[in-house]
Amino acid sequence: QSALTQPASVSGSPGQSITISCTGTSSDVGGFNYVSWYQQHPGKAPKLMIYDVSNRPSGVSYRFSGSKSGNTASLTISGLQAEDEAHYYCSSYTSSSTPGVFGGGTKLTVL
Amino acid sequence: EVQLVESGGDLVQPGGSLRLSCAASGFTFSTYGMNWVRQAPGKGLEWVSYISSSSGVIYYADYVKGRFTISRDNAKNSLYVQMNNLRDEDTAVYYCARSLKVSAADYWGQGTLVTVSS
Repeated sequence: QSALTQPASVSGSPGQSITISCTGTSSDVGGFNYVSWYQQHPGKAPKLMIYDVSNRPSGVSYRFSGSKSGNTASLTISGLQAEDEAHYYCSSYTSSSTPGVFGGGTKLTVL
Repeated sequence: EVQLVESGGDLVQPGGSLRLSCAASGFTFSTYGMNWVRQAPGKGLEWVSYISSSSGVIYYADYVKGRFTISRDNAKNSLYVQMNNLRDEDTAVYYCARSLKVSAADYWGQGTLVTVSS
């Protein structure tokens, strides 16, 4: 199964908003509303930020939001803060009887 | 508090075998699907395998199919993966993660390092 496509890096200044895209196919992102997003700081385990395209788990800041259009999902972080600097990974359910597929990851730099 | 603690990572030669374990606590283990996810050094995340709460549904990624076997013991609150015929490219930190949904994991362990090298 091919990885979902994410930009390698994005950046923004404190207080700004950024959006990370995640492009798949009709067999994964486009075919199901089961896209999730993870934040990972260096040396730490991933943290679930968004599931089912746009739902936030308890305890995740309202500054994180998700959406989807066709085969592309997006994660938007508003009011950027220094602690948001991390790698972000998207993931999707797939039709291929596998556990799922991740994107290659995006490094967010807060300038 | 939900806790997932992996163990069993080690240095193993190509072609060798290893069994990883994950001890779960702080939730009703028998009611959740569970996953193994790996991350090679400096690389991204990869789903490895998923097992449903009753072990009735099991998925493997293509790159481990036929070599890895996932299992669980609900009486012992434990998740396992038996890894056979290991390859250099299986070198990674292996995470145990609880499923919120298939392909969405809401709690993760700290990971255990598997190194495949001669």
